[in-house]
Amino acid sequence: SQQGEEDPQALSIQEGENATMNCSYKTSINNLQWYRQNSGRGLVHLILIRSNEREKHSGRLRVTLDTSKKSSSLLITASRAADTASYFCATDAGTGRRALTFGSGTRLQVQP
Amino acid sequence: DAGVIQSPRHEVTEMGQEVTLRCKPISGHNSLFWYRQTMMRGLELLIYFNNNVPIDDSGMPEDRFSAKMPNASFSTLKIQPSEPRDSAVYFCASTTLGVDNSPLHFGNGTRLTVT
Repeated sequence: SQQGEEDPQALSIQEGENATMNCSYKTSINNLQWYRQNSGRGLVHLILIRSNEREKHSGRLRVTLDTSKKSSSLLITASRAADTASYFCATDAGTGRRALTFGSGTRLQVQP
Repeated sequence: DAGVIQSPRHEVTEMGQEVTLRCKPISGHNSLFWYRQTMMRGLELLIYFNNNVPIDDSGMPEDRFSAKMPNASFSTLKIQPSEPRDSAVYFCASTTLGVDNSPLHFGNGTRLTVT
């Protein structure tokens, strides 16, 4: 099974609204990252939060991390039609296997 | 910065044929990853290299898949013989492992269709 599972699988909102996506994972992590994928393109890194951090901001993005619940959330404020994409969380276990493990993604549709 | 470059962008082939996917990582990155993306299974790690050496190939589905990295600027993923279930988008990504907070940089993928 995948290390990260996003919730919801799909989300449709109006421009200007906030979008919240959640990610749960199973094992201890070194850090958690969020990526965005536009249709037909590769993934693009958005933000990284370390295991000893609880919240991080980058522009209209806000990420939280709760290691006790093994969960993270990505909030996009004041959404725009251009935010339409799939969003993935990815975990770095930090030891042993160093490759990122990706969740199943949330498809966000922002209606203009 | 040209980013990670993958070729071809699309590949259509018949079952049983050999397929070779190519990747040029970002210059200076020391690690390269091959992922496969399908609707059913999402993004799966196939193999990754560090300093041109394969580190973890546990995700390679079977012996029909092989990957090489002959130098720091080039990698190939080969499928021989190809099967319809290999149809997917194959991504290459690179980064600098060992540097804190270094994210993965992805290419735009190769969409493989095996008929």
